Amino acid sequence: QKEVEQNSGPLSVPEGAIASLNCTYSDRGSQSFFWYRQYSGKSPELIMSIYSNGDKEDGRFTAQLNKASQYVSLLIRDSQPSDSATYLCAVIRNTGGFKTIFGAGTRLFVKA
Amino acid sequence: DTGVSQDPRHKITKRGQNVTFRCDPISEHNRLYWYRQTLGQGPEFLTYFQNEAQLEKSRLLSDRFSAERPKGSFSTLEIQRTEQGDSAMYLCASSLQQGRTDTQYFGPGTRLTVL
Repeated sequence: QKEVEQNSGPLSVPEGAIASLNCTYSDRGSQSFFWYRQYSGKSPELIMSIYSNGDKEDGRFTAQLNKASQYVSLLIRDSQPSDSATYLCAVIRNTGGFKTIFGAGTRLFVKA
Repeated sequence: DTGVSQDPRHKITKRGQNVTFRCDPISEHNRLYWYRQTLGQGPEFLTYFQNEAQLEKSRLLSDRFSAERPKGSFSTLEIQRTEQGDSAMYLCASSLQQGRTDTQYFGPGTRLTVL
């Protein structure tokens, strides 16, 4: 079992729709969670961080965290073709040493 | 541009050669991270520094890899006796760790090709 798991996709949504990206993690002691966007050939860029259970909204993006279920999600409202990228979930694990673990990413395509 | 810079952006080398990469973090950031990323995978943690101290090192980091951050500012990652399997994007990130927040900002990466 991978420490951070994401569906590889591709996830295809029409322009204007809501894209829902999911991530599960295995270390129950993890405290910090991040979503990054990565365009092909580029480095990851931070979208959102979340540390507490519940929802956190920033513009068209909403991150949701459920520590009991060990689940993090990212919703993108009013998806645009420019949102087409790979979305990486990252978890900072504190058990057995401090370490940031990334999922393999979910590829999102937004069709115009 | 996040403010994290890496040099060089691209490196082509022959198997067996040594290579060194440099990372300049955001100036006030106290933490610096190195990752390796291959096609279709997320970044893979290699090591991180808190100021000049190397606090964590992945078991994946063989003894051919070494990293330094001598004055708590820029960092270098050296790979000795490169192998074709070392071909990857090497990413540097920095953060200002305050309490439990540790948001990392990535540089543009150094793409290494080992022939």
